[in-house]
Amino acid sequence: DVKVTQSSRYLVKRTGEKVFLECVQDMDHENMFWYRQDPGLGLRLIYFSYDVKMKEKGDIPEGYSVSREKKERFSLILESASTNQTSMYLCASSFTSGTYYEQYFGPGTRLTVT
Amino acid sequence: DAKTTQPNSMESNEEEPVHLPCNHSTISGTDYIHWYRQLPSQGPEYVIHGLTSNVNNRMASLAIAEDRKSSTLILHRATLRDAAVYYCILNYQAGTALIFGKGTTLSVSS
Repeated sequence: DVKVTQSSRYLVKRTGEKVFLECVQDMDHENMFWYRQDPGLGLRLIYFSYDVKMKEKGDIPEGYSVSREKKERFSLILESASTNQTSMYLCASSFTSGTYYEQYFGPGTRLTVT
Repeated sequence: DAKTTQPNSMESNEEEPVHLPCNHSTISGTDYIHWYRQLPSQGPEYVIHGLTSNVNNRMASLAIAEDRKSSTLILHRATLRDAAVYYCILNYQAGTALIFGKGTTLSVSS
């Protein structure tokens, strides 16, 4: 079974803290994604990466950065957490190809910034 | 990006078929139609996808209109475990990010 794991299911941080969310996949996927999910807004793409050390901004990258030093690991960094970053964070991964490959999602990290 | 329109919510009884509609009148010729679902407290999971022809897999069937401007996800016998938010998504390129709308919240009663 494909597995995408995220470092924490629940996280509580204080405003101004630096926050690291880790995602690991075990299927040798090239592509990895970070989304956030908020009530009424659905899932929105923050950043994605199609190769090691490569990254692309998604729709809402402000206040976030990412790191991909190894193929299986994609980290989302909140440089200085703010209360409006309280959200559910979802990581996903997929192959890239001329044919369709499904995205596999992790269970999510519910982050609360107080 | 082409948009999809889905009803906000639908209800079903256990063991009955469920037809979840999706309108995508601005779909382009190269857009695939995907369905994902999100069970409570979990990340989304892939259900099915298609381009032009109807598709079946172990989870569901996908019926695509001849003009491709609409599609229907069919759950042949709903179970309580099928209660979830179902997303209809268009995507033209393998491996690119998915654009999620608000989806349809399916409730299943016993």
